[in-house]
Amino acid sequence: DTEVTQTPKHLVMGMTNKKSLKCEQHMGHRAMYWYKQKAKKPPELMFVYSYEKLSINESVPSRFSPECPNSSLLNLHLHALQPEDSALYLCASSQDPYGTSGSYEQFFGPGTRLTVL
Amino acid sequence: DAKTTQPPSMDCAEGRAANLPCNHSTISGNEYVYWYRQIHSQGPQYIIHGLKNNETNEMASLIITEDRKSSTLILPHATLRDTAVYYCIVRGLILTGGGNKLTFGTGTQLKVEL
Repeated sequence: DTEVTQTPKHLVMGMTNKKSLKCEQHMGHRAMYWYKQKAKKPPELMFVYSYEKLSINESVPSRFSPECPNSSLLNLHLHALQPEDSALYLCASSQDPYGTSGSYEQFFGPGTRLTVL
Repeated sequence: DAKTTQPPSMDCAEGRAANLPCNHSTISGNEYVYWYRQIHSQGPQYIIHGLKNNETNEMASLIITEDRKSSTLILPHATLRDTAVYYCIVRGLILTGGGNKLTFGTGTQLKVEL
């Protein structure tokens, strides 16, 4: 299984809602990532988890709360979002968090398209 | 992380080779060059990576100059399905906590036409 799955595919939420995005991989990868991509822009890194611990938070507002409950699962909890947070949210995973023995590509999921009203 | 510069768009005739250039003049000695592509509304797809030597796989070839300041991705026989945004990325390691940091530039929109 060389796939990263993301649910839901589409999500519409109001500014007062709480919702969660889910990402799953069964490749045994120990690093997982969240990216945000606005229309016609490149993906921007938000969070990195390495061995289920938060490795990087790219100064993301606290209304985005990541969680890595186990090595296969990554969640992004959303609360009190703004319309400008509407974007494609991409999850990725890679094999070796430290990449010291070579270089390992990141496998991306198809993304969740989020619309905040 | 080293910054990359790519032309915003390129056209290629189907069946011909597509050569996509990338400048990364501030790359350091242990940084890898990665190429990804993103077909409209899908997640990015890994293509190839390299450190110093030229690399080839079933999708593409990667030519890195001797000074490592630039590289070229070659799709030998482009098809309509290769129409996508191609990103050249210099990968940085997250040394303190682990993980790979990919900083995407603006990429090149490749359009393959009949």
